Amino acid sequence: NAGVMQNPRHLVRRRGQEARLRCSPMKGHSHVYWYRQLPEEGLKFMVYLQKENIIDESGMPKERFSAEFPKEGPSILRIQQVVRGDSAAYFCASSPQGRETQYFGPGTRLLVL
Amino acid sequence: SQQGEEDPQALSIQEGENATMNCSYKTSINNLQWYRQNSGRGLVHLILIRSNEREKHSGRLRVTLDTSKKSSSLLITASRAADTASYFCATDDLLQGAQKLVFGQGTRLTINP
Repeated sequence: NAGVMQNPRHLVRRRGQEARLRCSPMKGHSHVYWYRQLPEEGLKFMVYLQKENIIDESGMPKERFSAEFPKEGPSILRIQQVVRGDSAAYFCASSPQGRETQYFGPGTRLLVL
Repeated sequence: SQQGEEDPQALSIQEGENATMNCSYKTSINNLQWYRQNSGRGLVHLILIRSNEREKHSGRLRVTLDTSKKSSSLLITASRAADTASYFCATDDLLQGAQKLVFGQGTRLTINP
């Protein structure tokens, strides 16, 4: 049973470009969460999605960031017009239902030059 | 907003010794979880303890929870070099939505051979 998959594992972008991060949850999991980790810090919640619905996006920056979890395919975290401050590790987690253990993917490390 | 805080921030011990890490949080919770993160990698779920539980064991791990003091501890017995990692506690915030995990800053544990 494959775990949570994220790709790419590493992503380099120049300021002003777009970054697309993908997450495939564990089989049978319909709840997806995105977190961001800055160097030497803990993870910070960004957004919680179920299939085709954004449930809680209270941790998402108001501009440039968006997330989706379509009926078919992976969840996508999209960052438009990236800035250096967006450089971080972005982790996706999934769970079979809310209030259960969240299983994390390996993360995507974004570097903005 | 709630934030878990781990103590100490860094811990270095000899192989074979026991390691104890503490976590404090601020608001009511459903459960508390501990995760391990090896350098540059994703998070591995270690153990979940519910708010009505006081102690839980899993192999060499022992977790306690004191909801009156809003604190938890993680004890790793007979430490091994492979236990070297950062350890994070995470709580679900009943007030803000139980689906999001709130992480502490982590304890960086180093096991010296």
